[in-house]
Amino acid sequence: SAVISQKPSRDICQRGTSLTIQCQVDSQVTMMFWYRQQPGQSLTLIATANQGSEATYESGFVIDKFPISRPNLTFSTLTVSNMSPEDSSIYLCSVSSGASGIRRYEQYFGPGTRLTVT
Amino acid sequence: GQQVMQIPQYQHVQEGEDFTTYCNSSTTLSNIQWYKQRPGGHPVFLIQLVKSGEVKKQKRLTFQFGEAKKNSSLHITATQTTDVGTYFCRNEKLTFGTGTRLTIIP
Repeated sequence: SAVISQKPSRDICQRGTSLTIQCQVDSQVTMMFWYRQQPGQSLTLIATANQGSEATYESGFVIDKFPISRPNLTFSTLTVSNMSPEDSSIYLCSVSSGASGIRRYEQYFGPGTRLTVT
Repeated sequence: GQQVMQIPQYQHVQEGEDFTTYCNSSTTLSNIQWYKQRPGGHPVFLIQLVKSGEVKKQKRLTFQFGEAKKNSSLHITATQTTDVGTYFCRNEKLTFGTGTRLTIIP
């Protein structure tokens, strides 16, 4: 299994500002994902972070709002831009050892970043 | 888009009672995975089912994949306080189910 760390663990931000969340994995992984989870709710996939190319966004999520970087196989960042209170949520980094396009491998999750926008 | 529904949404049981959560997909699945999320924690992978009608066991947990590969279930026998948490299923499109929150009355 992979050990995943996220920074920051939590933050309180003002509306209109941006926050960048970092995800670090202790080993090289093929696939990295970013999820959002509101308290008491399920997980919603934001995007797949692709190494060396633009992230693949799910319906309802756009690059201008959630720019993602993945400079190598162990690190990724998610930025929440121009935040509003509706962005208050837990943001989770996830990795899988499965090859690209083969989504039948288990996922491992980071501890999450709890974001509150005031 | 694909929807993955779970029932019930909540389940409160006395310690020692059994618990079952059901996962239903609107489309046929190539595989299904189950995860457990403890309160305040992150999801942890439990198991993957691939074959039609497949049944797998992990101690007191029994996982089943439907014959039509559109539904799955997780059954816990004789629940313990350590079973508390939310159980999610996940399809191959990385879509998580709505989850079932299990609470245990000691």
